[in-house]
Parts: sequence; C-alpha cells; structure tokens
Amino acid sequence: AQSVTQLDSQVPVFEEAPVELRCNYSSSVSVYLFWYVQYPNQGLQLLLKYLSGSTLVKGINGFEAEFNKSQTSFHLRKPSVHISDTAEYFCAVSAPRGAQKLVFGQGTRLTINP
Amino acid sequence: DAGVIQSPRHEVTEMGQEVTLRCKPISGHDYLFWYRQTMMRGLELLIYFNNNVPIDDSGMPEDRFSAKMPNASFSTLKIQPSEPRDSAVYFCASRGDRSSYEQYFGPGTRLTVT
Repeated sequence: AQSVTQLDSQVPVFEEAPVELRCNYSSSVSVYLFWYVQYPNQGLQLLLKYLSGSTLVKGINGFEAEFNKSQTSFHLRKPSVHISDTAEYFCAVSAPRGAQKLVFGQGTRLTINP
Repeated sequence: DAGVIQSPRHEVTEMGQEVTLRCKPISGHDYLFWYRQTMMRGLELLIYFNNNVPIDDSGMPEDRFSAKMPNASFSTLKIQPSEPRDSAVYFCASRGDRSSYEQYFGPGTRLTVT
C-alpha cells in the first residue's frame, strides 16, 4: 500500500517570494506522483504529474516538482508566488498497476501575503 | 466541455433522512470516482467505476452508503439513513482511459447532516 505525508499543514509566504511545499511518500513498488490544487469552494485541479522519465516535472501556473527516489520525495516549488496562488495543495500517489486509485496527503494550505 | 457536474452543490438534511448526490462525468470518460473530504480524514476514495461497473468499493464506510452508475453519463451516491458524521464535501471525478491518469474533479457537494 502507498501513503503520502505532507510535512507542512500551512505555509505562509510573501508575494513574489519562492515557495516549496514538501511531500514524502511510502511505497514498496514504483509509483506515479501527482500534485493537485484546490481553490476555495472548488474541486481539485491537476498541477503536474510524474509517471516516468525526467525527474524534474513542470506543470501549470509556473509550478514544478522534482521526483527523488532515494529520498522518496516529490516537493513542489515555485520561484515567485502570486496572490492568486493562495489555495490548498495536495500531493497524491498511486502504484502503476493500480493507477486508478489515488492516495492523497492531508494537504498544505498556502497563504500568500502582500 | 462543461467538466464534471455535481448536484446539488449544497445539501442540508436532518439525521435519518435519505440523501442522494448526483454526478455527470465528462463525456467519453471511462472511470468515475467518488471521494469524501473532511477536516479529520482528508480526501478519501469511497468507490470507483470502470465502464459503469463498480471496481473497488472498499472505501465505502458502511452499508448506509451505496453508489450506482446506471449509464456512462450518470452516477449517484446515496446515504440512507444519514448521520451527522456523514457531514463532508463529496467529490465526483472522472478519467478518460487515455488521459494519462489525470482525474477531473467536479465542484463537490457540501453535505450537512443536523
């Protein structure tokens, strides 16, 4: 079985500052990894995913993430955040054979201060 | 495309009443998922369907919960009888077989059981 730990429940940053949201996973098999964003009162939207290949993955809205197999991590980064990035961010994992089932972390609430 | 459609967006009901949540997936998508989101437990997968057939319902909390997918464009999640601990946001998501594992989420139904 897979599990996901998002190390920070809340991350406050100032506008235009860089941000890193941390995600660690646990799995006995290879995994697919995802980051989703949830804006207030909305459903989740895919930011980016890692299935295979390059460990640096670029997504929408200027976000990127790096898959680190040895550290079982998939941290999300953005070099300069905007007020509009205020949202909750979820890391998720699935095993390739069961890739229909996503296991989500608890989420990190990103708050951007002017 | 209109995306995944859920109704109602908000539901307030009294304990013991039957509640039916509805979902229309994106046309052409072969997978449909029902999730529940609470502060305490985060995002949990309840059940998912492939080609209208339930594949895994291991996340359904108890017999009071049931889900159906009578055709490719409609699914329901029913709770009977409802209890206050069922209060949560329920999301429906769909996925096309060729969409590289991306799940598209609806806006959710916020259920309050008093």
